[in-house]
Amino acid sequence: NAGVMQNPRHLVRRRGQEARLRCSPMKGHSHVYWYRQLPEEGLKFMVYLQKENIIDESGMPKERFSAEFPKEGPSILRIQQVVRGDSAAYFCASASGRNTEAFFGQGTRLTVV
Amino acid sequence: QQQVKQSPQSLIVQKGGIPIINCAYENTAFDYFPWYQQFPGKGPALLIAIRPDVSEKKEGRFTISFNKSAKQFSLHIMDSQPGDSATYFCAASMTSGTYKYIFGTGTRLKVLA
Repeated sequence: NAGVMQNPRHLVRRRGQEARLRCSPMKGHSHVYWYRQLPEEGLKFMVYLQKENIIDESGMPKERFSAEFPKEGPSILRIQQVVRGDSAAYFCASASGRNTEAFFGQGTRLTVV
Repeated sequence: QQQVKQSPQSLIVQKGGIPIINCAYENTAFDYFPWYQQFPGKGPALLIAIRPDVSEKKEGRFTISFNKSAKQFSLHIMDSQPGDSATYFCAASMTSGTYKYIFGTGTRLKVLA
């Protein structure tokens, strides 16, 4: 999973600020999944994207959260007006195809103060 | 119906023991069941995975047992070592769709030296 790069590894934001989390998939991978892990809990699916398309966003909160995976550059998970409850580890995973195994990055740990 | 229930929440064994972690699911459309290992501060790493057409799969010291009729599967770690101390997650997905995983809540394993 070292091939999936997430940055920053740690992010501290004050309530009301915006958080931008980046995920660079493994070389040759055009499919990206985002998951959120709250303390002491399992990972919860948020969104699945292919290049320039959102395929499944059934796990995304309806407000303040958005994701993109542009033709060039990393996938971005954006959280506007962060609240304390957004504090969590956010993981992305990438895959080479729709029906192939996904590999996880090391995560971004967001702390909202 | 989308849940995967995992037990126990935590487990302590002596070195050389065989910890067993159990998971149960409801959705019979699930057809891919991976186990992930996660060390503190790291992303989940795939350990071993099974599909419902087999009842057991071994990779090194890790074995998955699968009971399709009971909708249960379990992870056994043979000859456990202190280096196996980590959090283990089971997951399920429908690979006819994507690798969007439903994760269990995790089992924190500690192997005593």
